[in-house]
Amino acid sequence: DAGITQSPRYKITETGRQVTLMCHQTWSHSYMFWYRQDLGHGLRLIYYSAAADITDKGEVSDGYVVSRSKTENFPLTLESATRSQTSVYFCASSESPSGTGHNSPLHFGNGTRLTVT
Amino acid sequence: GQQLNQSPQSMFIQEGEDVSMNCTSSSIFNTWLWYKQDPGEGPVLLIALYKAGELTSNGRLTAQFGITRKDSFLNISASIPSDVGIYFCAGPRGSTLGRLYFGRGTQLTVWP
Repeated sequence: DAGITQSPRYKITETGRQVTLMCHQTWSHSYMFWYRQDLGHGLRLIYYSAAADITDKGEVSDGYVVSRSKTENFPLTLESATRSQTSVYFCASSESPSGTGHNSPLHFGNGTRLTVT
Repeated sequence: GQQLNQSPQSMFIQEGEDVSMNCTSSSIFNTWLWYKQDPGEGPVLLIALYKAGELTSNGRLTAQFGITRKDSFLNISASIPSDVGIYFCAGPRGSTLGRLYFGRGTQLTVWP
């Protein structure tokens, strides 16, 4: 199906473990983004990517790593999970750099709920 | 840190009532966006505003880009149960790639 899909939908992991969240989009959008959503904070940008092999940090990137070897995939890795990384993670894609065009908005996946124990 | 101040944080209303929420910033924005997040899903764009003073409607939703470019308002008329969700304002700071800031959201509950 066309769209943007995230996996897994739910994940429980232990402190110190490495965990990777997957994101796949079928639109061939150049730009992809990772946000985390926490109560009282809204959505905060973790990382973004302008194209394959081009990534840059957002406002809350510490403890996270991304890669983009193919345009359609943008996995997010927590190298050593901490309790403060318990959150809902959203991947998004867009045709435009900032996702502000009405014809090229951010398209979000349905999120991954991650719990770090 | 947080760039956009969104209020109210939550609203509990009865079906049929009108709703108003707003977003303010200490900085100027060139674009204001309003997203809605249904329970268990990702946010979806409702309305985009590109010019100071602009008033745009999408069905029962109306949004305005403040004259000062530091605020925006979203109104929902004659609310229905499916309006339940979290509403976010968002805007980019300058032309920096990927720098789309989101407000903290307004949680809307509609009682039948």
